Amino acid sequence: SYVLTQPPSVSVAPGQTARITCGGNKIGSKSVHWYQQKAGQAPVLVVYDDSDRPSGIPERFSGSNSGNTATLTISRVEAGDEADYYCQVWDSSSDLLYVFGTGTKVTVL
Amino acid sequence: QVHLVESGGGVVQPGRSLRLSCAASGFTFSSYAMHWVRQAPGKGLEWVAVTSFDGSNKNFADSVKGRFTISRDNSKNTLYLQMNSLRAEDTAVYYCARAIYGAVGWHFDLWGRGTLVTVSS
Repeated sequence: SYVLTQPPSVSVAPGQTARITCGGNKIGSKSVHWYQQKAGQAPVLVVYDDSDRPSGIPERFSGSNSGNTATLTISRVEAGDEADYYCQVWDSSSDLLYVFGTGTKVTVL
Repeated sequence: QVHLVESGGGVVQPGRSLRLSCAASGFTFSSYAMHWVRQAPGKGLEWVAVTSFDGSNKNFADSVKGRFTISRDNSKNTLYLQMNSLRAEDTAVYYCARAIYGAVGWHFDLWGRGTLVTVSS
């Protein structure tokens, strides 16, 4: 089945930029979606279709996808951005249709 | 406001059964594919099952195939997950989620708060 690999953790100072990668074979040919999950809460969609934002999500959250890597970028990081972040794709060619990445813990220093 | 509210979780012995429910409100439930996604304690997200908008198509992760069934009652705006032959590794928070088809594939735009299932003797 399709595998999505994320770094376990990313640390960033307030006001700086956090970049979270999601690696997968030819992931650039798929649509990548990103979820934020704060401690004890349900996931929230923050980016869909590589780079679109749902209503209510700040412009500080952006995404890109090319080759074998997709990236979620959080600009001007705030303390409230501290959370786990998961990428996700739909892989119609796989037995596991809906694949989540391994998750990245973003720590705001 | 749109909401998904799960219920039915609890502590159950290995080999026993449990049925989860997810009540939807604030949107036309019968128009959407619906999913169950779970998260074991301290672990990542794992997709479990999907049902199409009308319940005619269903699919399951290999880890639950043959043990779990998914169903829906559109007249009651409710999604279900029947879990049989439960194992310790099924211990997790179970989320129901609404699915949207975007540019190329599906994503989950609305999630419930989850219900905890603990399988233990």
